[in-house]
Order: sequence, then C-alpha cells, then structure tokens
Amino acid sequence: NAGVTQTPKFQVLKTGQSMTLQCAQDMNHNSMYWYRQDPGMGLRLIYYSASEGTTDKGEVPNGYNVSRLNKREFSLRLESAAPSQTSVYFCASRTSRGRREITNEKLFFGSGTQLSVL
Amino acid sequence: EDQVTQSPEALRLQEGESSSLNCSYTVSGLRGLFWYRQDPGKGPEFLFTLYSAGEEKEKERLKATLTKKESFLHITAPKPEDSATYLCAVQGPDGQNFVFGPGTRLSVLP
Repeated sequence: NAGVTQTPKFQVLKTGQSMTLQCAQDMNHNSMYWYRQDPGMGLRLIYYSASEGTTDKGEVPNGYNVSRLNKREFSLRLESAAPSQTSVYFCASRTSRGRREITNEKLFFGSGTQLSVL
Repeated sequence: EDQVTQSPEALRLQEGESSSLNCSYTVSGLRGLFWYRQDPGKGPEFLFTLYSAGEEKEKERLKATLTKKESFLHITAPKPEDSATYLCAVQGPDGQNFVFGPGTRLSVLP
C-alpha cells in the first residue's frame, strides 16, 4: 500500500515563481490536509478538505490555494512564491465520519516536500 | 485559541535511561490527544490516541498518559532506535483541525 504520496520531494523556486504540490492517497479517506513544518514551530495547518468538494482555510492560508480534485487527490498551489514560504510541506489524510467510536481519527502523513524559495 | 507546548525541546539519554516527555495543552473541548513519532526526512507516524483523563496506552517501551491539562510520553529503557522527534497534537471539538506542538527531539546514545 502506498498510503499518502507527495510529489515532488524537493523543489527550489525563485521569488515570484509558481508551482503546485501534488498529494494522493489510496486509503479511501474522506479528509485531506496540507501542513507546513518550520523549525521550532511545529506543524501548522494551511488548508484542509473535510470531504470531496469542500475546502477550508487553516491557520496559515495566505499565499496558498488548494484544489480537491477528487476523493484521492488534494493539491496545494503557490501562485507567487516568497522566501517566507520556504518550509517542509506535508500532506495528510484520515477517515472522518464524525463519531469517535467508529472513526479512525489519526492522520496518515506523506513523506513531505522540501521547498526552498530564493 | 487551542495551544500545545512540549518540553523539553531536546533530550539526550543513555541507552536504558528511562525518562518522560511532556505535552501541555489548552483546548476548548478535547476530542483527542495524539502522539506521533517523526524520523528525519520523513512524515510523522502515529503512536497513540488518548481520549479522556486517566487513560493510558502502551506500545513496546512507550507509555502515554493523559490528564486534563497535559500528557506524558514515558520511555522505559530506551534504545538508540527510539531516537526521533516526538510530536503531540490535540483535536478540538470541531473534529477537523489538529493543533501540533513543536516536538521533543530525543537522542538515545548507545
């Protein structure tokens, strides 16, 4: 089982360039997430999609856009990259049915994308 | 606002030297508290979920406990392969957002 797959693993951009980070999961999960991880700050939520067809802002959405293409895929787009967006980006997914006793609440993470913006 | 802090920031142990990691949280209605392990260059991997004060979970050398304000990850007789960053996260009442702490970087020396 592949789990959560992210591409690319590494990327270097110049300020102002755009790019899309791809994420796909093969676990039939409803919810998908994009986090960024910076030293000393933990994982911070950028956007999430509770179910196919919906997306919501997280803690740090500015400068990003997302698309929930289908149940499997959730992409993150940087329209005009800035040095402050240098970070490691993680995609995650989980089953979400709203009832704790039958829901596997835990997040499954991809291996991350290391992005540098010069 | 939901917040999670972890201490210490970094911890070095000798192999076999037991210790505990702390996760303190503030959340308006805890739905779940999660512990993850993260190895360098990889995504976090799930360890435990705790739902209510007094609950305990164990896995090999690790035991997680929960009170109303904090959680502890106890590591008994650690081995070098336990070296990793340990992340704590809380899930609030809306069920969708997970707030993560900054992590504790654990090094176990042989």
